[in-house]
Amino acid sequence: GAGVSQSPSNKVTEKGKDVELRCDPISGHTALYWYRQRLGQGLEFLIYFQGNSAPDKSGLPSDRFSAERTGESVSTLTIQRTQQEDSAVYLCASSLVARGTYEQYFGPGTRLTVT
Amino acid sequence: TQLLEQSPQFLSIQEGENLTVYCNSSSVFSSLQWYRQEPGEGPVLLVTVVTGGEVKKLKRLTFQFGDARKDSSLHITAAQPGDTGLYLCAGDETSGSRLTFGEGTQLTVNP
Repeated sequence: GAGVSQSPSNKVTEKGKDVELRCDPISGHTALYWYRQRLGQGLEFLIYFQGNSAPDKSGLPSDRFSAERTGESVSTLTIQRTQQEDSAVYLCASSLVARGTYEQYFGPGTRLTVT
Repeated sequence: TQLLEQSPQFLSIQEGENLTVYCNSSSVFSSLQWYRQEPGEGPVLLVTVVTGGEVKKLKRLTFQFGDARKDSSLHITAAQPGDTGLYLCAGDETSGSRLTFGEGTQLTVNP
């Protein structure tokens, strides 16, 4: 497809389990971003990639969160030992270059529920 | 981290009414973007404003960037039910690549 895709669309997991969320950016987009959105709230920046390097990881809320990216392609966000407060929609976006003024194209998100 | 405050948080109006959503910060942004998000989808960019005092129009939507580049507004004329959604402003931090998002304004336009 032409847009950003994310999988799974929904994930229900038990507290303490690890989860992996996947993002497929638009082909050719060098920059990739992960955000977290709690119900009815704005977007919380987590991490961004320029190519496969992550110049800014400052938004990751704890060391249970990590992300990696293969080249200028797929990225995975991993949450270890999930907690109930991790429940949220995790959004991925990509853009041509890593500049805030460039349009970020968002995927539909993964809704994570930790029970 | 620069903060963006949006107001109102919730807005419910009748079709045909006008409305304004505000986005304010104590910090200066090099640019500011407005997004619209519908349930179950990611945000979609509506406009980017860069110059202080800039006004951009998109059909019935008018966006303004404050002279000091600290605030912005979104005005919708003759709102329609299709305008319903979460409106988010996002500022470009002057030295970085991330966007700082406001908490959003949930707009409901009733037929």
